[in-house]
Amino acid sequence: NAGVTQTPKFRVLKTGQSMTLLCAQDMNHEYMYWYRQDPGMGLRLIHYSVGEGTTAKGEVPDGYNVSRLKKQNFLLGLESAAPSQTSVYFCASSYSPLGGELFFGEGSRLTVL
Amino acid sequence: KQEVTQIPAALSVPEGENLVLNCSFTDSAIYNLQWFRQDPGKGLTSLLLIQSSQREQTSGRLNASLDKSSGRSTLYIAASQPGDSATYLCAVTGNQFYFGTGTSLTVIP
Repeated sequence: NAGVTQTPKFRVLKTGQSMTLLCAQDMNHEYMYWYRQDPGMGLRLIHYSVGEGTTAKGEVPDGYNVSRLKKQNFLLGLESAAPSQTSVYFCASSYSPLGGELFFGEGSRLTVL
Repeated sequence: KQEVTQIPAALSVPEGENLVLNCSFTDSAIYNLQWFRQDPGKGLTSLLLIQSSQREQTSGRLNASLDKSSGRSTLYIAASQPGDSATYLCAVTGNQFYFGTGTSLTVIP
């Protein structure tokens, strides 16, 4: 019973490098989300998807790109990492925000030097 | 925009005490409210989900209530244990999920 799985769990990047975070869910959920969590800032929505092939911007989308080529996967990309992107990233999924329960992955801790 | 507030930001209680965590929101037009637990370095674990038509939900020693008209929810923890130490977050659902910044709970043995 995997639920929501994120890879990698830890990553250290140098400024300007690129990387992709992978989120996979096995609950057949339509909705998937990427959040970042920073001390004192709470959870902030980066991008989200309402179904395969769709993506939309959240509260803090700048510097990130996403893709949802398969229903079960939601990828978060950093094309040119900056120190301000040092954070813990969480993926989540739900059947629907309209009454559906939200399930989270374990998080991916990213440090940009 | 929906604003979710959790007060206090931190709470410390002796083991065995009953306690209440608070969550308030500004827009009562919500679909549901969810309480989560987050342990240090871990993801968020769902504790209770209250649909907008419900008043409360119970799971073991946890009881969550919802009063949409006043924009408030409470999470009641009975007979607290050191293992309950964690950060507790609430989230309300409109067209997306809106999170509070959490209450950090420490239960002292």
